[in-house]
Amino acid sequence: ETGVTQSPTHLIKTRGQQVTLRCSSQSGHNTVSWYQQALGQGPQFIFQYYREEENGRGNFPPRFSGLQFPNYSSELNVNALELDDSALYLCATTAPRLDTHNEQFFGPGTRLTVL
Amino acid sequence: GESVGLHLPTLSVQEGDNSIINCAYSNSASDYFIWYKQESGKGPQFIIDIRSNMDKRQGQRVTVLLNKTVKHLSLQIAATQPGDSAVYFCAENKDGGATNKLIFGTGTLLAVQP
Repeated sequence: ETGVTQSPTHLIKTRGQQVTLRCSSQSGHNTVSWYQQALGQGPQFIFQYYREEENGRGNFPPRFSGLQFPNYSSELNVNALELDDSALYLCATTAPRLDTHNEQFFGPGTRLTVL
Repeated sequence: GESVGLHLPTLSVQEGDNSIINCAYSNSASDYFIWYKQESGKGPQFIIDIRSNMDKRQGQRVTVLLNKTVKHLSLQIAATQPGDSAVYFCAENKDGGATNKLIFGTGTLLAVQP
């Protein structure tokens, strides 16, 4: 196991609603990234947080937003849900960078279904 | 559990055989590549990585080969076991480590026949 936990495991919402997903990382993992994985596809990068600020974003609209807290846990918020938002949402955490690239540890994901 | 392998390319191998999973990447500027294994209902699990200044790296039962000339990455699994059955993704980092942003490929479903 990676030590990364996500909640809830499953969630059902209706179109137009808002949702908050949560991620807790291993101690000291100060960078968190969020990914969206549609069924049958690879994960797509949403954004990354480092020291409580967003420092990288993929091709997702502003209704996808996030937070990182002082204990490095994180939230992903999605407003005005659309049917195409139905996916597995993954968070990945990284320890303080010792080299140019550090291994990312993925959580088990939250399965979001929008009806 | 729900499979993430629907409509994915599938590689079917016999237990004990060697498996080779291939991936083409898009950006010649990418300098870091990773292979992930994803089992049904779970998040991606790191297998092995390689940097662009290398062309081969070996782990336990796995080898990654990088051919920058044709932008091709492969994962070799020796003596494939039933527990290796999963979807395998290659991923690349394009921004020189400025962020941890990974670009994932479409994935290959590895099915190991006993």
